[in-house]
Amino acid sequence: AQKITQTQPGMFVQEKEAVTLDCTYDTSDQSYGLFWYKQPSSGEMIFLIYQGSYDEQNATEGRYSLNFQKARKSANLVISASQLGDSAMYFCAIAGGTSYGKLTFGQGTILTVHP
Amino acid sequence: DTEVTQTPKHLVMGMTNKKSLKCEQHMGHRAMYWYKQKAKKPPELMFVYSYEKLSINESVPSRFSPECPNSSLLNLHLHALQPEDSALYLCASSQDRGVYTDTQYFGPGTRLTVL
Repeated sequence: AQKITQTQPGMFVQEKEAVTLDCTYDTSDQSYGLFWYKQPSSGEMIFLIYQGSYDEQNATEGRYSLNFQKARKSANLVISASQLGDSAMYFCAIAGGTSYGKLTFGQGTILTVHP
Repeated sequence: DTEVTQTPKHLVMGMTNKKSLKCEQHMGHRAMYWYKQKAKKPPELMFVYSYEKLSINESVPSRFSPECPNSSLLNLHLHALQPEDSALYLCASSQDRGVYTDTQYFGPGTRLTVL
């Protein structure tokens, strides 16, 4: 069984600043993948970044990076140089090695970027 | 190209109507998914098709009937829905299910309102 906890219901950040969205997970699988998705008010779920449990390096994709701390079971998303278009709901999700690709999502964090 | 398309964008239907949602992907993916999402909640998995065969049904009521005519097309047939079925319906696809590294790519969703 997998579980994702996102403890920040809402976050605010000033434009051009960096922000960290928290995600902790629980799984009994040795192999697993962690995903972050962005969902603007339009509704589409946009894939941002992936981190595998055996990846030694933290994943990065443009302005997005994942602060992966395996021992603490955390996979925080860092957004650098925030833009107004980053305002959205952000979901952390996990797929375990025995879950046949089924994603378990956290409750999400609403990020608001102020000008 | 990571595009998944869904039609219609919006749908309003009565409780006695029959309607269908359509999802299409041209990424050569062999797994396709239907999710239901209520406002400010994470998506809930409904169905998974793998190689055009239904592999997961998350105990969804029979008023929702999925169909996968070919590897790039996924339909969700709706009949005798209830007002509580009003939600955003998201389609996703991935290369294959069964692997924790498999990234799901989502479509823009269909906003369904049942009167």
